[in-house]
Amino acid sequence: DAGVTQSPTHLIKTRGQHVTLRCSPISGHKSVSWYQQVLGQGPQFIFQYYEKEERGRGNFPDRFSARQFPNYSSELNVNALLLGDSALYLCASSGRPGLQETQYFGPGTRLLVL
Amino acid sequence: QQQVKQSPQSLIVQKGGISIINCAYENTAFDYFPWYQQFPGKGPALLIAIRPDVSEKKEGRFTISFNKSAKQFSLHIMDSQPGDSATYFCAASMGASGSRLTFGEGTQLTVNP
Repeated sequence: DAGVTQSPTHLIKTRGQHVTLRCSPISGHKSVSWYQQVLGQGPQFIFQYYEKEERGRGNFPDRFSARQFPNYSSELNVNALLLGDSALYLCASSGRPGLQETQYFGPGTRLLVL
Repeated sequence: QQQVKQSPQSLIVQKGGISIINCAYENTAFDYFPWYQQFPGKGPALLIAIRPDVSEKKEGRFTISFNKSAKQFSLHIMDSQPGDSATYFCAASMGASGSRLTFGEGTQLTVNP
């Protein structure tokens, strides 16, 4: 079975540009969460979506936005990129949001902002 | 705001030894504590998880010990193997927040042959 897939795997952008990252959850999973992992740190929660609705948002500026499509795939958009946005962006899927629902992580998209 | 603190930052263990990683949390509303393992170039993968109504959970060579009064929990890896060399993250979540995970800073484990 295919796990969580993310695209692209790597991306290089310059300051001020916009980026779109994509995630396909495990088949049958309806919840998608996004995390940012800066080098040497633990992942930080950005967004959670379930059934196409935002169910949670972390402490990130409005430059970060996301959406979930009818097929439960998701996009993370970041506007006006800053050098500090350089990180590994992880997508995780689960059956539904809730306690003890295992989150399965994808391999991530590594974003470098120059 | 760091709600989950993890130590040590790095750990070197000999093959066959015991690896111990510790975490402490602040928010008493947390009620689910998973451990994740991450290899270079991969996303984190769930190893084992515990709820605060039990003090210990064991799965194979991996054991979580949980001390609710001290707000601490730890991961023990028995008979550590070179293949266990990875970065380990503790995490916490609360039912009210759905699946939102708060991660520790990570421990880079190296198991020497």
